[in-house]
Amino acid sequence: GAGVSQSPSNKVTEKGKDVELRCDPISGHTALYWYRQSLGQGLEFLIYFQGNSAPDKSGLPSDRFSAERTGGSVSTLTIQRTQQEDSAVYLCASRVTDTQYFGPGTRLTVL
Amino acid sequence: GQNIDQPTEMTATEGAIVQINCTYQTSGFNGLFWYQQHAGEAPTFLSYNVLDGLEEKGRFSSFLSRSKGYSYLLLKELQMKDSASYLCAVKNNQGGKLIFGQGTELSVKP
Repeated sequence: GAGVSQSPSNKVTEKGKDVELRCDPISGHTALYWYRQSLGQGLEFLIYFQGNSAPDKSGLPSDRFSAERTGGSVSTLTIQRTQQEDSAVYLCASRVTDTQYFGPGTRLTVL
Repeated sequence: GQNIDQPTEMTATEGAIVQINCTYQTSGFNGLFWYQQHAGEAPTFLSYNVLDGLEEKGRFSSFLSRSKGYSYLLLKELQMKDSASYLCAVKNNQGGKLIFGQGTELSVKP
């Protein structure tokens, strides 16, 4: 069946611009996570959605980062006024039981 | 605090066995995952341990000791395609978010 998909696969932007990253989770998966993987670093948790509950935003690095999940399915991660340190691969994962399944990621480069 | 340690890189020979260790100190432990990640690709699920002991799945096995805060991933009959980064991740009991180690880059040589 279809896995987690993310778009775009690559995004190059200029410092100060806003970007939106999209995640389509596996159908029926109620939980959705965003992680960030910087060069040479481990995956860093950003935000978590579970059903209709309030999201866990404890991993968001600053108020420039926000995310929403519409209709319990598709999620969008928005980074406002991008900075060069935001350059990373942004990974989305979804789960229905214990295991999280990851999408291919969006590679964001901020010039 | 939360801390997960694994070696940065390892090298092994095709056909051999390699063990990748992971030690952790976390609050709210609710299981440990191993993922494989090839360069430029998504992490793919390998194993999940929530109870102490060894879980075997084909060429890959994973072990957990909760009292020692220790896990290992054992890869047997190594193949060139096993060259990848192996990620150890602890599952938090609040929402199930994963706390990742930095990953172990495994190189399999002929």
